[in-house]
Amino acid sequence: ILNVEQSPQSLHVQEGDSTNFTCSFPSSNFYALHWYRWETAKSPEALFVMTLNGDEKKKGRISATLNTKEGYSYLYIKGSQPEDSATYLCASSHGNQFYFGTGTSLTVIP
Amino acid sequence: EPEVTQTPSHQVTQMGQEVILRCVPISNHLYFYWYRQILGQKVEFLVSFYNNEISEKSEIFDDQFSVERPDGSNFTLKIRSTKLEDSAMYFCASSDRGPAFFGQGTRLTVV
Repeated sequence: ILNVEQSPQSLHVQEGDSTNFTCSFPSSNFYALHWYRWETAKSPEALFVMTLNGDEKKKGRISATLNTKEGYSYLYIKGSQPEDSATYLCASSHGNQFYFGTGTSLTVIP
Repeated sequence: EPEVTQTPSHQVTQMGQEVILRCVPISNHLYFYWYRQILGQKVEFLVSFYNNEISEKSEIFDDQFSVERPDGSNFTLKIRSTKLEDSAMYFCASSDRGPAFFGQGTRLTVV
């Protein structure tokens, strides 16, 4: 089983601050990198899928980048709002398998 | 919009009993997964399933666990003899190599 790492493990930011998290993954047999948003007591919601080196995706105030050569992805949230509070999971797919990171727990303080 | 459905939403069982967690993946998906999250801990991969067989499983997925696709639509996770430490949220997911779609989870409580 491949190792997907996320940092930081948890983060507290003030409403209005911008923030970013990192996901690092092995490059062998890489197929795609996925970001999910997971609110407590709900199932994960897919945010982005990226496959190509240099890919950038944006959804409202949230964006993500992918570097497959060095094996990392960044997730950015601009102007954090309390409703952004959740765990953000990344997963990389290699062949037919998904490997999840440990997640970054974000708390936005009003 | 198609979705992955899981039943039951909450299952309470006595230690040593067998439980079956059910999942209906999205109909044209070919890859199926079970994950679990013990309260306060990270998401753990259990097993992946493709082409009617297990393609990968974690160390957690020991002989007490089994998966089946009995009728082409359901995807089940069976725990033969539950232990207290099996208490967790169990999530099923399916994909067609794109994003995985997750069910709402089954909260399993072993007492």
